[in-house]
Amino acid sequence: SQQGEEDPQALSIQEGENATMNCSYKTSINNLQWYRQNSGRGLVHLILIRSNEREKHSGRLRVTLDTSKKSSSLLITASRAADTASYFCATEGGGGGADGLTFGKGTHLIIQP
Amino acid sequence: GAVVSQHPSWVICKSGTSVKIECRSLDFQATTMFWYRQFPKQSLMLMATSNEGSKATYEQGVEKDKFLINHASLTLSTLTVTSAHPEDSSFYICGRGGGREFFGPGTRLTVL
Repeated sequence: SQQGEEDPQALSIQEGENATMNCSYKTSINNLQWYRQNSGRGLVHLILIRSNEREKHSGRLRVTLDTSKKSSSLLITASRAADTASYFCATEGGGGGADGLTFGKGTHLIIQP
Repeated sequence: GAVVSQHPSWVICKSGTSVKIECRSLDFQATTMFWYRQFPKQSLMLMATSNEGSKATYEQGVEKDKFLINHASLTLSTLTVTSAHPEDSSFYICGRGGGREFFGPGTRLTVL
């Protein structure tokens, strides 16, 4: 599986600021998901956006999807120290059947108190 | 609560030994499960797709004879790292698909 790209690879902001992360992918998709991973821990599912959706909100999270550009963004508003983690986008292919996810390289987000 | 469990959560072994990792789907009979590997400071990479009742499908570059997968039942898939070496040290995560993927908590393998 080819991995998508995420930028920035690392992001450090002050608590209370907004954090934006971007993800690009290469193939057609059924959906795109964002996950959070705290250091050395498992994955926490944040949000899923389907290929026919353009924007989705969940609490302080806002995700956009542009299938024409094969890109997505994750916005975290009013960041908190607890948001410090690595964030990954993951795509599920559009080929049908059960496919594993293809993960982006991830953005390491640091929220400074 | 957790819908996918993984055991053990961590394991340290000597080079040359084999290690078995179990992945259980707790609330759903899963005919397909996925195994991922994550090296330090890197992303997750799909290793293989585990299929109940048939052979696993491995991604390019993953040695099927080294990473043995057995989907013993609709709720259990196992990954055995055979003759483990230090370069196999990694974080192994299983997942159950179906739209939103549910992941186990991961197993950290350290090979000395």
